[in-house]
Amino acid sequence: SQKIEQNSEALNIQEGKTATLTCNYTNYSPAYLQWYRQDPGRGPVFLLLIRENEKEKRKERLKVTFDTTLKQSLFHITASQPADSATYLCALAKTSYDKVIFGPGTSLSVIP
Amino acid sequence: GAVVSQHPSWVICKSGTSVKIECRSLDFQATTMFWYRQFPKQSLMLMATSNEGSKATYEQGVEKDKFLINHASLTLSTLTVTSAHPEDSSFYICSASSGVDNQPQHFGDGTRLSIL
Repeated sequence: SQKIEQNSEALNIQEGKTATLTCNYTNYSPAYLQWYRQDPGRGPVFLLLIRENEKEKRKERLKVTFDTTLKQSLFHITASQPADSATYLCALAKTSYDKVIFGPGTSLSVIP
Repeated sequence: GAVVSQHPSWVICKSGTSVKIECRSLDFQATTMFWYRQFPKQSLMLMATSNEGSKATYEQGVEKDKFLINHASLTLSTLTVTSAHPEDSSFYICSASSGVDNQPQHFGDGTRLSIL
């Protein structure tokens, strides 16, 4: 069955540094990979979507890469701020409107 | 950006009660809506997929008679937890998709359900 792993359950970094989160998957061939942010007690908020034929996407301080050969996505937050502290979820789908399979999430803490 | 409203945000009720949760897409037509459940410190688990005007498709292990889903219009889906028991206590989250390529799902803010 398909499996999604995210590099670590928790990640602590210093303010101003770049946070890099990893998402690896097996037994699946997604056409889309998405990253969401979730704050405690709230629903996920969409951040970025990248298609299988795209290598990289950027949005402000966020950057995501998608390597279908390695079956891996990297999510970067540059110049991190304490307000970036949240859980980040990697999600895969066959189409952008198909059911989404979520990874376990990485809890990011940006320390002032 | 797209807005999905979920109501109520929090409900506490006695065991045996049925609870209805509403999910509305406020500024777009949602051809498909999804219902997820999330236990503490775990990720979202898909329960079912519903398309407007048709029966919901449930994931393996989810009881369709326990979790009734109705998607009567392009902007509203409801999840009813029938005869709820303490083990049904969880965080329920809906999402909505316009069905347009390259457009992601947008999520509601979840409903915290506590069964006493």
